Amino acid sequence: GENVEQHPSTLSVQEGDSAVIKCTYSDSASNYFPWYKQELGKRPQLIIDIRSNVGEKKDQRIAVTLNKTAKHFSLHITETQPEDSAVYFCAASRGAGTYKYIFGTGTRLKVLA
Amino acid sequence: DTEVTQTPKHLVMGMTNKKSLKCEQHMGHRAMYWYKQKAKKPPELMFVYSYEKLSINESVPSRFSPECPNSSLLNLHLHALQPEDSALYLCASSQVTGGEAFFGQGTRLTVV
Repeated sequence: GENVEQHPSTLSVQEGDSAVIKCTYSDSASNYFPWYKQELGKRPQLIIDIRSNVGEKKDQRIAVTLNKTAKHFSLHITETQPEDSAVYFCAASRGAGTYKYIFGTGTRLKVLA
Repeated sequence: DTEVTQTPKHLVMGMTNKKSLKCEQHMGHRAMYWYKQKAKKPPELMFVYSYEKLSINESVPSRFSPECPNSSLLNLHLHALQPEDSALYLCASSQVTGGEAFFGQGTRLTVV
């Protein structure tokens, strides 16, 4: 069935360092890949997304890369700050008309001050 | 307005009770979702409504009954729940063409 693998499950970095989280999806028809940040007790919030016709997207300190051939996409956070500490979920979707977002298992990121 | 509003924020119910969770959005989204999230796990899809019609039911037990009265509202009726149903219940909405799913703050449900 469809699934999204996410690694690592936990990640600790020093403030100012970079963090990388990786996801691999199984459904080759997936064409939309969002990343959600969920702070403790709060809702998941979109931080960046990418569509399958793009290989890389950047928004300030956050970037996402997509390798469609390998069915692999990654989140890169540079110059990490304590407020980046949260659980991050990747997801994959086929887009219009299917409505299913297949979530990865999550990465707990801790940024140490 | 990019908000999805859920009520109540917290709910404690007994196994014989009947209660309802409510969700509202005014973004014009015609796809609305219910997710269940257990601690330290990703959101797990329960139901999807598209144009106010149920389009996906992920084999959810009948003690959970969704309802979409209009394009802005989504309800989840709960009856005879089990303690293992205790979780955070998240509502979300999106365009039917796909893209970002906007989540509500969730209802933290405890079944006693």
